[in-house]
Amino acid sequence: GAGVSQTPSNKVTEKGKYVELRCDPISGHTALYWYRQSLGQGPEFLIYFQGTGAADDSGLPNDRFFAVRPEGSVSTLKIQRTERGDSAVYLCASSQRPHTGELFFGEGSRLTVL
Amino acid sequence: AQKVTQAQTEISVVEKEDVTLDCVYETRDTTYYLFWYKQPPSGELVFLIRRNSFDEQNEISGRYSWNFQKSTSSFNFTITASQVVDSAVYFCALKLTGRRGGSNYKLTFGKGTLLTVNP
Repeated sequence: GAGVSQTPSNKVTEKGKYVELRCDPISGHTALYWYRQSLGQGPEFLIYFQGTGAADDSGLPNDRFFAVRPEGSVSTLKIQRTERGDSAVYLCASSQRPHTGELFFGEGSRLTVL
Repeated sequence: AQKVTQAQTEISVVEKEDVTLDCVYETRDTTYYLFWYKQPPSGELVFLIRRNSFDEQNEISGRYSWNFQKSTSSFNFTITASQVVDSAVYFCALKLTGRRGGSNYKLTFGKGTLLTVNP
């Protein structure tokens, strides 16, 4: 399909390891978001890209989290020195009209830190 | 800061019953959008509706209807004649519209309501 694609769908890692999560947005969508969803919670904003630049990264919890979108399409969320508290589903969304708030979400990457 | 509260954690109904999902929001801004998103078991959130803070007219779309009341800061969602396929987690969300910069583009979500429709 032509939806938002996220890989891997599941990732199990050990505490202290480095993790990369990838998001491939809908073609032509200039806006890209990362959200984090913990069990029983709503999605929590992490970062918003407009094109290649991070327009708002106020939701990144600390400097272990970093995201890039070098060519304005695919984005990678990078987590260094993972901690058990990082375990969650990481959701990516894209939009052609971000001012409307109508986002198209992927199925998420479930990260488990042992 | 904005806040969205969905007091109902879980609701279980029998097929064909009507069900209302509650949403209460908090913001000091006067211009904003309110949303409902549906998250089926597959995980991806699906956009259902957006309402502008200036438009308090209720909206109906098939079996779905939304009641926006600014006086009580509520944006409730009713499903009429529920079906098993309606089973999902439903999220209410808020987005500010009057600010400049990147902060104007993020959605603040509630914790969601798990709706189970039993046959």
